[in-house]
Parts: sequence; C-alpha cells; structure tokens
Amino acid sequence: GAGVSQSPSNKVTEKGKDVELRCDPISGHTALYWYRQSLGQGLEFLIYFQGNSAPDKSGLPSDRFSAERTGGSVSTLTIQRTQQEDSAVYLCASNKRGGAGTDTQYFGPGTRLTVL
Amino acid sequence: AQSVTQPDIHITVSEGASLELRCNYSYGATPYLFWYVQSPGQGLQLLLKYFSGDTLVQGIKGFEAEFKRSQSSFNLRKPSVHWSDAAEYFCAVGVDQAGTALIFGKGTTLSVSS
Repeated sequence: GAGVSQSPSNKVTEKGKDVELRCDPISGHTALYWYRQSLGQGLEFLIYFQGNSAPDKSGLPSDRFSAERTGGSVSTLTIQRTQQEDSAVYLCASNKRGGAGTDTQYFGPGTRLTVL
Repeated sequence: AQSVTQPDIHITVSEGASLELRCNYSYGATPYLFWYVQSPGQGLQLLLKYFSGDTLVQGIKGFEAEFKRSQSSFNLRKPSVHWSDAAEYFCAVGVDQAGTALIFGKGTTLSVSS
C-alpha cells in the first residue's frame, strides 16, 4: 500500500484479556517501530525491528508486551493480561533503512486500545 | 541522552494570526529535528525536518521552522493560522544511527478561535 496501515483502528477489551495489534509497513521499508501514545505523555518508543529481528526492545514496559515481525513486513504487537494502564494509542512507523536521523519515519493511523 | 521539551501544553490563536510553537532539545551533537502534526483520530504527519544546511526550513501547509543551535531550539512558525490547523503538534529529535527511535516532546495542542 501507499502508507503504513494498522488494524484494528479501535480495540476495546476487558482487563486480563490478551490483544494483538497489527502493523503493515510501507513496502520495501526494512525498519519498523512501535510507539505508545498515552494521554498527556507524548509518544514513547516501545520496540524497533530491522528486518525480522528486534535489536532494541528497551521500550517494552513489561514482559506482558511482546512483538514479532515476519517476512520482513507485517508486525504484531501482543499485550498479554491487559491492564487498564495499557489503554493508549499504539502507533507503528517504518522507514527505509533504520536510522532515525536522515531517514524519515512514516507513521500509521494507530490503534486505540481501551482496557475496561 | 536526547530529550525534547515543548513548554506549551495548549495554545489558542485567532484565525489569521501568526503562530509560534516552541521546541527545545537536549543533545550533544547536531541533532536531526522534526515537527509532526496529529489531527484528531489521525496518525502523525511530517510537517518538516532539519538535517543540515540552511537553518530555516520550509514545510508543508505553510509552516516553517528555524534551528538555533545557540538556543537549542527548533521553533515552528506560521504567518497566518487557518481553522484547519487546529491539531496537536509534536517536535522530535533523532540521531543518524541504525535502530534509533525518535524522541518526542509531549506535544502542544493548538486551538484556533474565530
């Protein structure tokens, strides 16, 4: 596609359930990033993929959070045993080669997660 | 470590008036600087970016930003605001190393009054 796509656009779940969020990056982009946007907190980095490997997982807030990427394309962010503090907008971004300097990151529309 | 500060959480500007959104960064070397805009329910759209060279950068939708190394600032400006500019604006800093993520400020919400 022309841009980064994410699904679902909205997800409401009950506390304790697992959720999966999906990201389709721009075709040909080798680098993929997940960010979390909480109310009043700006955007926090979660995890970075280069190809299918994740050299930087430093932003994942707990071991309930995990992510994978297959075929150097689609990525899935999984949150297990969701908590109310997980409620946020989860944004995915991609760029061609992975440097966050000259290589512009393009963002998807996000998935709004609400944990009841 | 890099950091970004946007001192203004919320700004209201009259339609047709000029706008300046402030951004200060902390980084030891020359950073790569970005401004993104997020309209309600939308993802982030890149307005402009500074890598090197001319310190006055032109972007989309009539926005510009000026990099001032001495002040560690990268303020966003627009000479005449339109109602459609109401949105949240994020300043971000990046470094040109593989695998590094952008560091974002907490954003400034712009309201436009008629």
